[in-house]
Amino acid sequence: NAGVMQNPRHLVRRRGQEARLRCSPMKGHSHVYWYRQLPEEGLKFMVYLQKENIIDESGMPKERFSAEFPKEGPSILRIQQVVRGDSAAYFCASSLPPGTGAGANVLTFGAGSRLTVL
Amino acid sequence: AQSVTQLDSHVSVSEGTPVLLRCNYSSSYSPSLFWYVQHPNKGLQLLLKYTSAATLVKGINGFEAEFKKSETSFHLTKPSAHMSDAAEYFCVVSVSSGYSTLTFGKGTMLLVSP
Repeated sequence: NAGVMQNPRHLVRRRGQEARLRCSPMKGHSHVYWYRQLPEEGLKFMVYLQKENIIDESGMPKERFSAEFPKEGPSILRIQQVVRGDSAAYFCASSLPPGTGAGANVLTFGAGSRLTVL
Repeated sequence: AQSVTQLDSHVSVSEGTPVLLRCNYSSSYSPSLFWYVQHPNKGLQLLLKYTSAATLVKGINGFEAEFKKSETSFHLTKPSAHMSDAAEYFCVVSVSSGYSTLTFGKGTMLLVSP
């Protein structure tokens, strides 16, 4: 069981470029969450998705940020026209679908993708 | 609304001495509570969870936490610290409403000296 896989682990972008972060959930998990960790802060919820559907994006900035989880392939967090304030660690987590038992509200986290904007 | 307060940003202990990491929560509903650990440049690992069963929860690596509703606390303890315990620890609250969105505390950095 490979767990939650995120890539790239480290990404450097210049201001104005685009950043794409990928997340493959744990085998058997169909629900994906993205969190952002700013320096000296805890993780902040960004978005919750299931296949082909955004369930909750209440934590996503209104502009430049988008997320998807297509029928095939990994979930993608996309940041357009990056700015220095986007520098952070972005963590993906996955879980079983709600209502499938005690494990459904336990998230398994990936190792994170660290974005640095120059 | 829910929130988590980790009372100490840094805790320093000597190897072999007890560990206490403090956490208070606020939640409008019956919460689930978790402790996660993050080692440098690694992902978050679940240490233990409380989901309305026994109030004393045992986790991995000798850690345990006690849910005290009257004090709205969920402090993490370990009888004897090991050098490998040095990491950042996050207290997390979740209110399930069909799906889980976690609210994280700001973290406590545990430093262990020989």
